[in-house]
Amino acid sequence: LAKTTQPISMDSYEGQEVNITCSHNNIATNDYITWYQQFPSQGPRFIIQGYKTKVTNEVASLFIPADRKSSTLSLPRVSLSDTAVYYCLVGDINSGGGADGLTFGKGTHLIIQP
Amino acid sequence: KAGVTQTPRYLIKTRGQQVTLSCSPISGHRSVSWYQQTPGQGLQFLFEYFSETQRNKGNFPGRFSGRQFSNSRSEMNVSTLELGDSALYLCASSSNSGGGYNEQFFGPGTRLTVL
Repeated sequence: LAKTTQPISMDSYEGQEVNITCSHNNIATNDYITWYQQFPSQGPRFIIQGYKTKVTNEVASLFIPADRKSSTLSLPRVSLSDTAVYYCLVGDINSGGGADGLTFGKGTHLIIQP
Repeated sequence: KAGVTQTPRYLIKTRGQQVTLSCSPISGHRSVSWYQQTPGQGLQFLFEYFSETQRNKGNFPGRFSGRQFSNSRSEMNVSTLELGDSALYLCASSSNSGGGYNEQFFGPGTRLTVL
């Protein structure tokens, strides 16, 4: 089981760049890294996914070092609406997550202040 | 495309009863996963179905079961309900088409309260 460890909570301010780091020391060769965002009383929403190096889309960047034992989600210029819980997942996405599915940890509660 | 739909949205049951929750995935998606979310345990994986077969299973007792139909719609059943089963049950679908990219789309969830 590729367990993940994230900070429980983080604070930042509007307009700042926020970096959330996730540790996954026993990531397997076939595992991908995926980040989701969840607002209260809603299902999680996909943010970004990657296997190695750097991935960027319209909302975030994902940095993955060569050993893949950690990853960093970078949110540029956050706003109040980015206040949410952010989950880092690792798993074999091509087989539904593998034997343990795609396991969500406890997530990081990001609070953005004015 | 319509998103993932789950019915019912809210449910109140009493201990010992059983419950069936339904999930309709996005059209064309063959993988459906179920999760339980509680304040104390967070989001926990229940099981995943792909083309009517259970492909992955989380660490939940046998009271939790599921199935998937030929149209990819899925149901999960919880028998002999316990107070601790009160939770938000989320369903997610994905195309699982391979190629190194797989995004799960989540439904709004079913809020189950066991009294």
